[in-house]
This record gives sequence, C-alpha cells and structure tokens, in this order.
Amino acid sequence: GENVEQHPSTLSVQEGDSAVIKCTYSDSASNYFPWYKQELGKRPQLIIDIRSNVGEKKDQRIAVTLNKTAKHFSLHITETQPEDSAVYFCAAGQMNRDDKIIFGKGTRLHILP
Amino acid sequence: NAGVMQNPRHLVRRRGQEARLRCSPMKGHSHVYWYRQLPEEGLKFMVYLQKENIIDESGMPKERFSAEFPKEGPSILRIQQVVRGDSAAYFCASSLTSTKNTGELFFGEGSRLTVL
Repeated sequence: GENVEQHPSTLSVQEGDSAVIKCTYSDSASNYFPWYKQELGKRPQLIIDIRSNVGEKKDQRIAVTLNKTAKHFSLHITETQPEDSAVYFCAAGQMNRDDKIIFGKGTRLHILP
Repeated sequence: NAGVMQNPRHLVRRRGQEARLRCSPMKGHSHVYWYRQLPEEGLKFMVYLQKENIIDESGMPKERFSAEFPKEGPSILRIQQVVRGDSAAYFCASSLTSTKNTGELFFGEGSRLTVL
C-alpha cells in the first residue's frame, strides 16, 4: 500500500521568509497529491492539490511541485505571515478510483515575528 | 449546505466502556472516511465506506473497532471495551462519488475521545 513520508516534522521561519515542506510517496500508481492545513484545534482543510499530469501549480503565495520520477512533491510558501502558522499535511491517492487518501505525519510550521 | 457534522465533539469513557462516534457527511456526498489523529502525529487512515458498503478497512484494528454507513442516517465508528491507547481525535471526512470525484476531502471538526 501507499506510504507517505513528510519532512521536516517542525519548521520555524522568520516572518516574510519562505517555507518548504517535502514529501515522498511509494506507490507509483498515485496520481493525486493534496495538501491540507490544520490550525490548532480545527479541522484539516485543503489548501492546494496537484495531479500527476502537471509538474507545478501556484495559488498566490503557495506553490506545489511534483517529480513523478523521483516520487516526491513539495509545498512552497513565500512571504510567510503569522496566519501561516499551522500543521501542514501532504497526502497521496488515486483519482477516480475507490481508494483511500494516505497522509504524511505533518509539519508544524511556526512563523517567528 | 452544512459541512461534515461530527458528534459528540468530546467524549469521555472509562476503560471497558463503549464509544460511538457519529458522522453526517456533506449533502450529496456518499463517501465517508475515518481517520485517527494522535497527539503530535498525522492523520492515520482507518476505514473508507460508501452507503451500506465497507470499501477499505485496512487501517482498522482487527478487534474492538467497527464502522458502518447505513442507507439512512450517519456513519458510526464504534469502539468496544475502550483502552487508554484509544484516546485520540477521530476525524471523519466525506467526498463526492468517485465518478465526479474532485479528490477533495471535507473534514468534520473531529471527535476527541478521552479514556480514563
């Protein structure tokens, strides 16, 4: 089955700097890679996702990259702000197939003033 | 359109008792997933259900845990004879049918189980 590894487990960056979170997956059949943000005591919410037919996707200050050959994908947050402080989860699954989505263990991002 | 509703939000049980956690998916969603989140850990997949069917229960412990999603009513995650190690947040998520699946999971607020 699919296994998703995520690094680092904790990340502290100065406000305004960039943050990068990296994930690897094991199942080459996976073709859908979402990222979820979970604020303290709240539910996880989708912030961006990427499908295997593209290598990069951007949404304002957030970008994701995907390297299918190496089976890794990354989340990039630029110009970080205090409200970016949260736990971020990467995940992998297969679109349009009755399959579960497997999450990484999460990265706790601290934005330092 | 109400989001995914979970109840109870907090549940306290003594060792050996039963815990029942309920999840009502978003309107129009027929796929339900249960995940367990332990402190400082990620979202661990437990079970994936469609109406009246268990699709994948590979993440469920073989004993004491069961899940259902009946034709009518919410999905229920049932834990029998709870032990302290069952203390965790249990999140339910729902998604559209696979033929129109955008991929996004919509999570509930979670049910936090504490076993004394």
